Amino acid sequence: DVKVTQSSRYLVKRTGEKVFLECVQDMDHENMFWYRQDPGLGLRLIYFSYDVKMKEKGDIPEGYSVSREKKERFSLILESASTNQTSMYLCASKVQTGELFFGEGSRLTVL
Amino acid sequence: GENVEQHPSTLSVQEGDSAVIKCTYSDSASNYFPWYKQELGKRPQLIIDIRSNVGEKKDQRIAVTLNKTAKHFSLHITETQPEDSAVYFCAASSRNDYKLSFGAGTTVTVRA
Repeated sequence: DVKVTQSSRYLVKRTGEKVFLECVQDMDHENMFWYRQDPGLGLRLIYFSYDVKMKEKGDIPEGYSVSREKKERFSLILESASTNQTSMYLCASKVQTGELFFGEGSRLTVL
Repeated sequence: GENVEQHPSTLSVQEGDSAVIKCTYSDSASNYFPWYKQELGKRPQLIIDIRSNVGEKKDQRIAVTLNKTAKHFSLHITETQPEDSAVYFCAASSRNDYKLSFGAGTTVTVRA
């Protein structure tokens, strides 16, 4: 069974704080993704990575950065959290052609 | 980039009836169309997918149809059951399945 594990299920941060969301997958997948899920907007791609140290912007990268130092780990960074970044964040991984496997999600609240 | 529109946003059906969700996409190069189901409080999971060389695919009570000319695809659920209640997302991808663009989701409620 593919496992995608997100380090925190729930976080509460203050405006301006730096936030790290970590994701680990155990299936040696090349590709990893960070999505944001908001009601009525579906799943929107923030960033993705197709190899170690490689990254590409998705549809809504503003205010976010990512890090992929090891194949199994993909981190999403909010340099200075803002209230409009309150959301559910979903990490996912896949092989080149195949099913996208999601983590359980990290619900972030920025006060 | 790809733009996927999904309708309706909510759907309420009587148990045993059929449910249909429709999606349109903008990029004619898209060639992979998966559907994901997300139960309350859980992660989205793939339930069925179709590629552009196929017009229809069935898996028990679920079927997906694709019309490449019109750039739309649909999910059909027959004989709905309470466990079909969930949010369903369609998605489309070009560039060899690399990057999926999702629709806004449809909340399906099956009434007993």
